[in-house]
Amino acid sequence: GQNIDQPTEMTATEGAIVQINCTYQTSGFNGLFWYQQHAGEAPTFLSYNVLDGLEEKGRFSSFLSRSKGYSYLLLKELQMKDSASYLCAVRDSNYQLIWGAGTKLIIKP
Amino acid sequence: IAGITQAPTSQILAAGRRMTLRCTQDMRHNAMYWYRQDLGLGLRLIHYSNTAGTTGKGEVPDGYSVSRANTDDFPLTLASAVPSQTSVYFCASSSGLETDTQYFGPGTRLTVL
Repeated sequence: GQNIDQPTEMTATEGAIVQINCTYQTSGFNGLFWYQQHAGEAPTFLSYNVLDGLEEKGRFSSFLSRSKGYSYLLLKELQMKDSASYLCAVRDSNYQLIWGAGTKLIIKP
Repeated sequence: IAGITQAPTSQILAAGRRMTLRCTQDMRHNAMYWYRQDLGLGLRLIHYSNTAGTTGKGEVPDGYSVSRANTDDFPLTLASAVPSQTSVYFCASSSGLETDTQYFGPGTRLTVL
């Protein structure tokens, strides 16, 4: 079967750095997405990786290792507004997105 | 403002009733999707449409039907609602290209009693 694993919940301090991991086992791979979802709101797109390596976008970076079936989202200079759930999703061989359950990130002052 | 709209925002429904959730996008995206999101689970695909006039089944299609008469609209119908269909429903759209991103509507919170 297809599976996306990410931690259920993480806590970090304002101003710090946090890394959210995602491991996947899917039938085929056509890219990995990270989305942010604030409570009661829709998911919003953060990043996309299809090749190995690091993609940097401001305070957020995303890394991919296809051989290890592994990705992480790195958030720097954490702000209170970063408190949200972070969803990892992999596009499989049918070009459908398989979603992890999400990681709830709690930021403490 | 370009984007995706969903209606209603929330709904409480008696079991056995028929319900249609509406979704409209104005981005001229070819592909549209319906997901449900339940606590502790990832988003699960119900149905999708790669282009107007075509639809396909996702991971959890039972009890749901869709239609895609035009590019903009993609309604989801529950023919006879059951309590297990209590969930938050998100509609999404994408351009349909291989590297495209899905954009989500605000969601409909549905409770079936």
